Amino acid sequence: SQKIEQNSEALNIQEGKTATLTCNYTNYSPAYLQWYRQDPGRGPVFLLLIRENEKEKRKERLKVTFDTTLKQSLFHITASQPADSATYLCALAGTGGGNKLTFGTGTQLKVEL
Amino acid sequence: GAGVSQSPRYKVAKRGQDVALRCDPISGHVSLFWYQQALGQGPEFLTYFQNEAQLDKSGLPSDRFFAERPEGSVSTLKIQRTQQEDSAVYLCASSLEASGRPGELFFGEGSRLTVL
Repeated sequence: SQKIEQNSEALNIQEGKTATLTCNYTNYSPAYLQWYRQDPGRGPVFLLLIRENEKEKRKERLKVTFDTTLKQSLFHITASQPADSATYLCALAGTGGGNKLTFGTGTQLKVEL
Repeated sequence: GAGVSQSPRYKVAKRGQDVALRCDPISGHVSLFWYQQALGQGPEFLTYFQNEAQLDKSGLPSDRFFAERPEGSVSTLKIQRTQQEDSAVYLCASSLEASGRPGELFFGEGSRLTVL
């Protein structure tokens, strides 16, 4: 069956360090992958989209990689700040599936002073 | 409005009651999605509209769940005879893109349903 796995345990890092979050998937052939941020009691907010033929995408302090051989995406936040503390969700859209997204369970990030 | 608006934000229902959750998407957005999010989990797909057409309802958990978008704008998710397992946050999202084209989803703040 199709599965999307993200670190279930919270990731705690110090301010200024780089946070790296992992998204692994099985039995998928995603056309593209997206990352969202979700704060408690709020809806997810879009961060980045990367297509299957792209290896890497950057936006300000954010970087996403997409390895279709390993079936993995890595999400990096450089120079992390306490304001980056949130849950980060990866979401996949399969080929022919339109823009219907299937989400992982999310990883909670805590950036400490 | 500037974003996706959902109402009510909070709803408490007694088991067996019917509930209706409303979503007002961003004006001009073609696609509209409903997701269900349980505590500590990621959003789970329920159904998808392109304009007024419901193109995918494969995620609706039972025939007690019904969604409509009659004029291609506002959408309503209706849950009949609510059960305790229906307790969750119901998220609505809209997208400018039509089916088949990747695009970011704009989510509302969600409607938190608690069934007693």
